[in-house]
Amino acid sequence: DAKTTQPNSMESNEEEPVHLPCNHSTISGTDYIHWYRQLPSQGPEYVIHGLTSNVNNRMASLAIAEDRKSSTLILHRATLRDAAVYYCILRRNSGSARQLTFGSGTQLTVLP
Amino acid sequence: DGGITQSPKYLFRKEGQNVTLSCEQNLNHDAMYWYRQDPGQGLRLIYYSQIVNDFQKGDIAEGYSVSREKKESFPLTVTSAQKNPTAFYLCASSSIAGPTDTQYFGPGTRLTVL
Repeated sequence: DAKTTQPNSMESNEEEPVHLPCNHSTISGTDYIHWYRQLPSQGPEYVIHGLTSNVNNRMASLAIAEDRKSSTLILHRATLRDAAVYYCILRRNSGSARQLTFGSGTQLTVLP
Repeated sequence: DGGITQSPKYLFRKEGQNVTLSCEQNLNHDAMYWYRQDPGQGLRLIYYSQIVNDFQKGDIAEGYSVSREKKESFPLTVTSAQKNPTAFYLCASSSIAGPTDTQYFGPGTRLTVL
């Protein structure tokens, strides 16, 4: 499966936008880009996913580069409750798509 | 409320003992999964099941066993053959097993081997 690269940690101020980057230079044409987040001592939570076009939902936006080799998760106004580890995951449209392959993610700290 | 429940939240086990972790879902999902998470790491897949009475090994199945006798339930047994069982165990479910499905996770069970 294609790998993703994310910064180990990022900081943001409360009520400011946050842009979490993810590089996936070996992505294939059928790989979907998913984002999950994990709050301390909890199970991961789905955030958003996309294939080619930018996507918006109530939690966040996903901006996908034209060549699809990178993407950015955008939290429009960070709150203290957004402090979590954010995982960028590629899911292939094949047998291995059943599982989520997690890297080590980005630890987001939100400062009051 | 619909969701996934895991019990117990914390579990302590002596070396050499088998232990079973419970996972129940009332989301009417066909697919269920077990993951293991070690400190500071991402999740790794142990087993998954797409249908009752059928399941497949994930990346780290050695030392673990599962059953899927009911759609709602997917218990995981950590056997004495698992060399380093202390970890955070997460159960998940999804309506389908494919590239666009959303996996819903339970709160996890933290297992400590004494």
